[in-house]
Amino acid sequence: DGGITQSPKYLFRKEGQNVTLSCEQNLNHDAMYWYRQDPGQGLRLIYYSQIVNDFQKGDIAEGYSVSREKKESFPLTVTSAQKNPTAFYLCASSPGTPEAGELFFGEGSRLTVL
Amino acid sequence: RKEVEQDPGPFNVPEGATVAFNCTYSNSASQSFFWYRQDCRKEPKLLMSVYSSGNEDGRFTAQLNRASQYISLLIRDSKLSDSATYLCVVNEGHTGNQFYFGTGTSLTVIP
Repeated sequence: DGGITQSPKYLFRKEGQNVTLSCEQNLNHDAMYWYRQDPGQGLRLIYYSQIVNDFQKGDIAEGYSVSREKKESFPLTVTSAQKNPTAFYLCASSPGTPEAGELFFGEGSRLTVL
Repeated sequence: RKEVEQDPGPFNVPEGATVAFNCTYSNSASQSFFWYRQDCRKEPKLLMSVYSSGNEDGRFTAQLNRASQYISLLIRDSKLSDSATYLCVVNEGHTGNQFYFGTGTSLTVIP
């Protein structure tokens, strides 16, 4: 089935460690996104990519890094520089054109810093 | 000023009630509009796209008012299973193809 796969679903990290969250899509979508959601809050954009080998910072990019070496993959690294990384991380993709602008989400990765 | 604003609620309604949510957006050039549903600790899922002419899907009706820059969602004959958070999402459609989210409106349908 077509969709977006995020892993791991749950992740625990010690302070000072970097962690990488995986996001893979087989929808042949050009655009991919990473969002962060904190309890009781809306989604905030971390990074997005419209095309392979190109990505842009979102509203809260500090302490995060991404790569887009393949169309289907958009991993997110949460670095030790991110001061408050405990959150629910959502990866999404869209076809990349306004007319077909629906967002498709993965099931999310819940990161807890111990 | 936020790009997309929603009343966070919570809305607590009895089964069978009709409930309406509104959402306003700031960018008049926005191209696409959506309502997503998010259950507790789950990912958002598309409920319906919102078209200029308005659209209906069973008990759900979505409308767009471009002149006033607001979007609405009407749920008729509420079911217990409708309890969730409803997110208003707007796509500007320009370079960057960014999506803007409201903070969501919480709905609880009470037996």
